[in-house]
Amino acid sequence: EAGVTQSPTHLIKTRGQQATLRCSPISGHTSVYWYQQALGLGLQFLLWYDEGEERNRGNFPPRFSGRQFPNYSSELNVNALELEDSALYLCASSFTRVHQPQHFGDGTRLSIL
Amino acid sequence: QKEVEQDPGPLSVPEGAIVSLNCTYSNSAFQYFMWYRQYSRKGPELLMYTYSSGNKEDGRFTAQVDKSSKYISLFIRDSQPSDSATYLCAMSIISGSARQLTFGSGTQLTVLP
Repeated sequence: EAGVTQSPTHLIKTRGQQATLRCSPISGHTSVYWYQQALGLGLQFLLWYDEGEERNRGNFPPRFSGRQFPNYSSELNVNALELEDSALYLCASSFTRVHQPQHFGDGTRLSIL
Repeated sequence: QKEVEQDPGPLSVPEGAIVSLNCTYSNSAFQYFMWYRQYSRKGPELLMYTYSSGNKEDGRFTAQVDKSSKYISLFIRDSQPSDSATYLCAMSIISGSARQLTFGSGTQLTVLP
């Protein structure tokens, strides 16, 4: 069974640019979660998508946004990039039924120069 | 005060030792508890998942939950060099609109051959 896949593996941007990160969930999983793992800050919840809808978001500014497609894959968009956005962005997926454990991909490392 | 506190380590043990990793939490609404293992440059891998107080065993791993004390532990028996990684505790509440995981800061473990 294929796991959660994320692309690209690495992404290098400059301040002010926009970044798009992609995630394909495990087959059969309809919920997709995004987390940020920044040095010294640990793993922090960003967004939760289920059945194409944003269900919840963490304490991040609106320039962090995303969407979920009909095939349940997802995009995370970060606008107006700032230096502190440099981090590993992790995507997780799960079944929708309460409560199912989340399984993670290997992440996209975003570096802001 | 963080909702989830985890001993940061680093922890270094000889091969074959029993390892104890611990987290405390302050939010009594947390009902689901997980342990993830994260190797360098990889995403978190689910090790254990439980929602009741008591012990859950899977091979060399035992997860222990004490809801009255708001304390969870992961025990690793007969530790191996391949167990060297960062271990993350995670927890979530039971709610239709809040499925996100709250993570500890992680404990870096090194098992010496």
